Amino acid sequence: YVLTQPPSVSVAPGQTARITCGGNNIGTKSVHWYQQKPGQAPVLVLFDDTDRPSGIPERFSGSNSENTATLTISRVEAGDEADYFCQVWHSSTDLVDFGGGTKLTVL
Amino acid sequence: QVQVQESGPGLVKPSETLSLTCTVSGASISTYYWSWIRQSPGKGLEWIGYIYYSGNTNNNPSLNSRVSISIDTSKNEFSLNLSSVTAADTAVYYCASGSNLLFENWGQGILVTVSS
Repeated sequence: YVLTQPPSVSVAPGQTARITCGGNNIGTKSVHWYQQKPGQAPVLVLFDDTDRPSGIPERFSGSNSENTATLTISRVEAGDEADYFCQVWHSSTDLVDFGGGTKLTVL
Repeated sequence: QVQVQESGPGLVKPSETLSLTCTVSGASISTYYWSWIRQSPGKGLEWIGYIYYSGNTNNNPSLNSRVSISIDTSKNEFSLNLSSVTAADTAVYYCASGSNLLFENWGQGILVTVSS
């Protein structure tokens, strides 16, 4: 099962960044998103498509429908610059897949 | 707050077995799912496998025959063995925990280099 992410997304500060994660019928699965800054471990920023863990700003939101899940970051800040990875668990096979990752650049 | 920490050798010779341990604090290991994930230099994340406290486990099919994950509830830790390593196994290895195989807590990662 392939999860396809754009290699890079660029956005100016204060604008909205949208990072997509494409997969066959991904809308039927729960998608989780991780942020990874250089030299650091990934951090969960969204789970179950739309839910934010404690401490994650409301600027981070998500959607998931049909063949595309989307992580949306509103009012982008310089500190949001990082790699973002989507992830799913397949209940039918009990396996986990990650997307290839998207590098978010804040211009 | 669950905390996990990887430990083990940072250098492994080709064809040998990579062995890492993840120590859990702040929670009993008799809950959650406990996973290993790796990241080759400059690359994305690759899920290696998980174990549940009951002993149920599953691994990435691409590594399946070389991977063994075990758990020691008395020590609150779980371990990874990856056999017959090559240079392609050089990576930062993370242990992570969470419910329903999403990864809420990550270790800082340990770089393992495969080289003679």
